[in-house]
Amino acid sequence: GAGVSQTPSNKVTEKGKYVELRCDPISGHTALYWYRQSLGQGPEFLIYFQGTGAADDSGLPNDRFFAVRPEGSVSTLKIQRTERGDSAVYLCASSPQTGNTEAFFGQGTRLTVV
Amino acid sequence: SQQGEEDPQALSIQEGENATMNCSYKTSINNLQWYRQNSGRGLVHLILIRSNEREKHSGRLRVTLDTSKKSSSLLITASRAADTASYFCATNGGSNYKLTFGKGTLLTVNP
Repeated sequence: GAGVSQTPSNKVTEKGKYVELRCDPISGHTALYWYRQSLGQGPEFLIYFQGTGAADDSGLPNDRFFAVRPEGSVSTLKIQRTERGDSAVYLCASSPQTGNTEAFFGQGTRLTVV
Repeated sequence: SQQGEEDPQALSIQEGENATMNCSYKTSINNLQWYRQNSGRGLVHLILIRSNEREKHSGRLRVTLDTSKKSSSLLITASRAADTASYFCATNGGSNYKLTFGKGTLLTVNP
């Protein structure tokens, strides 16, 4: 596709439920990032993939959060036992390489836990 | 944790005026980037300035970087109502891939 695609654009779920958020990066981009943005804040780093492997997952807040990228393209962010504090916009970005390059962001998934 | 801190938090100007936003950061960087965000959704990359550069231009945008003061500024000249958005600085540090964002400046350009 032309840009980074994230689905769904909005997700409302009940506390305690499991959710999956999908990111389809720009074709050929090897680097993929997940960020989380709370209201009134800047995006905060969650995890970075280089190819299929998670090169840095230090930003994941706890073990309820997990992300995969099995074929080095599409990535899924998985949140178990959701809590109201997980409500935020989850942003995915990709770039052709790491280093001095820009990141291309998707439109995000707005997750609301009720 | 957020490294960059934008100043001011909010800025309201008239169309045609210039807008200046500042960013301060704490640790050494490889580059600093500015992004724009409309309505709290996707971010759009505006400009990247490397640590060995002092100034960069792109259309109506001018970015400066002072690594001795750990600060950067974004100047938008001849602003338009369509420039209304939140603007974030993001630093790329020693890890060379992770972007650390500030809290952003909300710019409102009144027609």
